[in-house]
Amino acid sequence: DAGVIQSPRHEVTEMGQEVTLRCKPISGHNSLFWYRQTMMRGLELLIYFNNNVPIDDSGMPEDRFSAKMPNASFSTLKIQPSEPRDSAVYFCASGELYSPLHFGNGTRLTVT
Amino acid sequence: EDQVTQSPEALRLQEGESSSLNCSYTVSGLRGLFWYRQDPGKGPEFLFTLYSAGEEKEKERLKATLTKKESFLHITAPKPEDSATYLCAVQAPPLYGNKLVFGAGTILRVKS
Repeated sequence: DAGVIQSPRHEVTEMGQEVTLRCKPISGHNSLFWYRQTMMRGLELLIYFNNNVPIDDSGMPEDRFSAKMPNASFSTLKIQPSEPRDSAVYFCASGELYSPLHFGNGTRLTVT
Repeated sequence: EDQVTQSPEALRLQEGESSSLNCSYTVSGLRGLFWYRQDPGKGPEFLFTLYSAGEEKEKERLKATLTKKESFLHITAPKPEDSATYLCAVQAPPLYGNKLVFGAGTILRVKS
């Protein structure tokens, strides 16, 4: 199994631009999570899906953030417009119900 | 609000010098406590799940234990390759499914 695959690995963009992060979960996993990691706040849960349905998006910081999961093998996290304070490492993780989560290697986002 | 606190923030050990990392939590109805290892530039990698007080899990030089208020990750005779950030996370109602809340982590450096 290739594990959770995220793209791109690095993204540098200017303030105000739209950013789209992509995630391919492990086949067969029915839960998908988006986390953000910074030095100041650690790992924060943004949103999670179960069976492609958003269950809890209370961690999404603002309306500038949106996430979709059109099918079981793909999810996107979009930031529009991006701001410098959005700079962080964004992780996608997948799992089966009540099982440990498996993380991708993240997308390092830098907004200048 | 549920909280997960890890200590120390950073730990420097000599190769072979055993020690312990602490994870204290304040949740009601703990469903599971998870330990992850994170290497620079990578996503968290699952190590252990503990479900009830008194439970212990071992993997190579690592041993995780759980009480009603905290968990310890004991590292016996560490090697430089054990250097990483160690994260603990809890899963508890009313959290749905396998949603996890993470601590800030302990950065471990083992010198040869």
